[in-house]
Amino acid sequence: AQSVTQLDSQVPVFEEAPVELRCNYSSSVSVYLFWYVQYPNQGLQLLLKYLSGSTLVKGINGFEAEFNKSQTSFHLRKPSVHISDTAEYFCAVSDYTGRRALTFGSGTRLQVQP
Amino acid sequence: DSGVTQTPKHLITATGQRVTLRCSPRSGDLSVYWYQQSLDQGLQFLIQYYNGEERAKGNILERFSAQQFPDLHSELNLSSLELGDSALYFCASSGQMTGAGETQYFGPGTRLLVL
Repeated sequence: AQSVTQLDSQVPVFEEAPVELRCNYSSSVSVYLFWYVQYPNQGLQLLLKYLSGSTLVKGINGFEAEFNKSQTSFHLRKPSVHISDTAEYFCAVSDYTGRRALTFGSGTRLQVQP
Repeated sequence: DSGVTQTPKHLITATGQRVTLRCSPRSGDLSVYWYQQSLDQGLQFLIQYYNGEERAKGNILERFSAQQFPDLHSELNLSSLELGDSALYFCASSGQMTGAGETQYFGPGTRLLVL
């Protein structure tokens, strides 16, 4: 079984400041890692994913994430946020075999203030 | 726009009733997943279908059932509804079962309110 922990339920930040959203996972098998974003009243949209290779993954809208196997973490970062980045962010995992369904964390609400 | 459509967008019903939620996957996608998003449980996987066959089950209640039709659209049936079933129900689709780690594309969701 897998689990995902998003350590912060809310992250307030000022516009143009950097931000890091933290994600830790637990799994007995190797996993793939994802970050999704949910804007108000919308579905989820993939920001980026880690499958293999370079541990630094670049995604859409200037976001990037770093996979750290030893710390079982996959933190999401952006060097300079915009008001439009205000949304709910979900970290998720799926395992290599069998079920492809995603196991999600509880989400982090990013609130960008002017 | 992800290419995944869900109907209806909103649904208000009473306890004890039955409803059907519909999902059309992206063109060419064979896999359909159903997820439930609620305030107390977060985002939870319910069930997956691939090319008409059930492939995986998550935390789906016995009162809930789903199917995928030959044209690949899927329906989620919720019966004997309870107040706690009020939630946002998402459908997601992806292409090939062999593509482990493939992206799931989410629809806009159906918001169910049980009164």
